[in-house]
Amino acid sequence: GQNIDQPTEMTATEGAIVQINCTYQTSGFNGLFWYQQHAGEAPTFLSYNVLDGLEEKGRFSSFLSRSKGYSYLLLKELQMKDSASYLCAVLDSNYQLIWGAGTKLIIKP
Amino acid sequence: ETGVTQTPRHLVMGMTNKKSLKCEQHLGHNAMYWYKQSAKKPLELMFVYNFKEQTENNSVPSRFSPECPNSSHLFLHLHTLQPEDSALYLCASSQGTENTGELFFGEGSRLTVL
Repeated sequence: GQNIDQPTEMTATEGAIVQINCTYQTSGFNGLFWYQQHAGEAPTFLSYNVLDGLEEKGRFSSFLSRSKGYSYLLLKELQMKDSASYLCAVLDSNYQLIWGAGTKLIIKP
Repeated sequence: ETGVTQTPRHLVMGMTNKKSLKCEQHLGHNAMYWYKQSAKKPLELMFVYNFKEQTENNSVPSRFSPECPNSSHLFLHLHTLQPEDSALYLCASSQGTENTGELFFGEGSRLTVL
């Protein structure tokens, strides 16, 4: 079966750095996505990786290793507004999005 | 303001009621989706429409009935639901007929079935 694993919850301190990991086993691979979802709000697209390596976008970076079936989302200079759930998803060979259950990130002052 | 609008935001219904969820996208996209989001579970794809034609039905019970009158509007008709159907129902849209993975979501309709 297809599976995406990510931690259920993480806690970090304002101003610090946090890394949210995602591992996947899917039928084929056409890209990995990270979405952010604030409580009571719509999920919004954060990043897309299809080749190995690091993609940087401001305070957020996303890394992919296809050989290891592994990705992480790195958030730097954490702000209180970064408290949200972060969803990892993989586009499989049939162009179906396979979703993880999400990681709830709690930022403390 | 999101380009995908869902109404109502909250809905409480009994198991014998009939209600509908509405989704409207203002992005000019061709594909629309219904997802179910339950606490601590992955998003579950329910239905996909491309150019008003249903292209995906992920073994969803018949008590959920989708309707897509045009590329901008999507409905989910609900009848004789069960308490386990209580969840957040998310609508999304995307450009193109092939799923590129970049979806634009609405804020969801929080459904409680008593």
